Amino acid sequence: EADIYQTPRYLVIGTGKKITLECSQTMGHDKMYWYQQDPGMELHLIHYSYGVNSTEKGDLSSESTVSRIRTEHFPLTLESARPSHTSQYLCASSAGGYTEAFFGQGTRLTVV
Amino acid sequence: AQSVTQPDIHITVSEGASLELRCNYSYGATPYLFWYVQSPGQGLQLLLKYFSGDTLVQGIKGFEAEFKRSQSSFNLRKPSVHWSDAAEYFCAVGDSGGGADGLTFGKGTHLIIQP
Repeated sequence: EADIYQTPRYLVIGTGKKITLECSQTMGHDKMYWYQQDPGMELHLIHYSYGVNSTEKGDLSSESTVSRIRTEHFPLTLESARPSHTSQYLCASSAGGYTEAFFGQGTRLTVV
Repeated sequence: AQSVTQPDIHITVSEGASLELRCNYSYGATPYLFWYVQSPGQGLQLLLKYFSGDTLVQGIKGFEAEFKRSQSSFNLRKPSVHWSDAAEYFCAVGDSGGGADGLTFGKGTHLIIQP
C-alpha cells in the first residue's frame, strides 16, 4: 500500500499569512511532485523534485516555493497567501522510470 | 509537448450498464499511459497503466483499457458499472524517458451513475 501523507487536509487562512503544506512519503521515492487542482478539477504541475536538494518549477507558474532537504519530505510554502491561492494541492511521488505516481489525499486551501 | 484530451466532461450511465471513457493523447515517442480515479475530497488512485506489451490492460475494480497507437487513444471500459463508480476519472500520459517532470493530465470526466 502506498504511503504518502499530506497535512493539513483542510485549511482556511487569512490573506497575507504564511503557510506551509506538508507532504511526506515512506516509500523511499526520489521523485516528488506538487499539483494544483482548480475548481474545474484539472490538475497542473507546479513543482517537482528529482531528489534531495533538487527542485524545479512545473508547467503552471506558482508563487509558492518548495524544498527537499530529506528524501521523504517535500513541503510547499506560500509566503503571503492570497484568495487567488484558493485551490486543492495534491502531492505525489514516484520511483521514476516506467512507474506510476502515488498521490496523497490533498490539502484543500481556502484563503479569505 | 505531450497533451491529453478527454472529450467528455460529464457522462451519465445507468447502474449495470457498460461504460467507456475516452482519452486521446499527443506524444512524439512511445507514451506511457494511466487512468486514475478521484472520489470527492480525495486524492487520485491508480486504476491501471500501460507501458508496453499487450495493448489491453486490466486494472482494479473491474476496469480495463485498450491502447490504440493508430488512433492515439487509451479508452477506459467497464462492462457493468456500480453506483460506487461515480467519481472523476483522469487520463494521464508520462514521459517514456522516465523524466521527473511529472504526468500530464486530461481535464477529467465526471461519471454520474443513475439508479
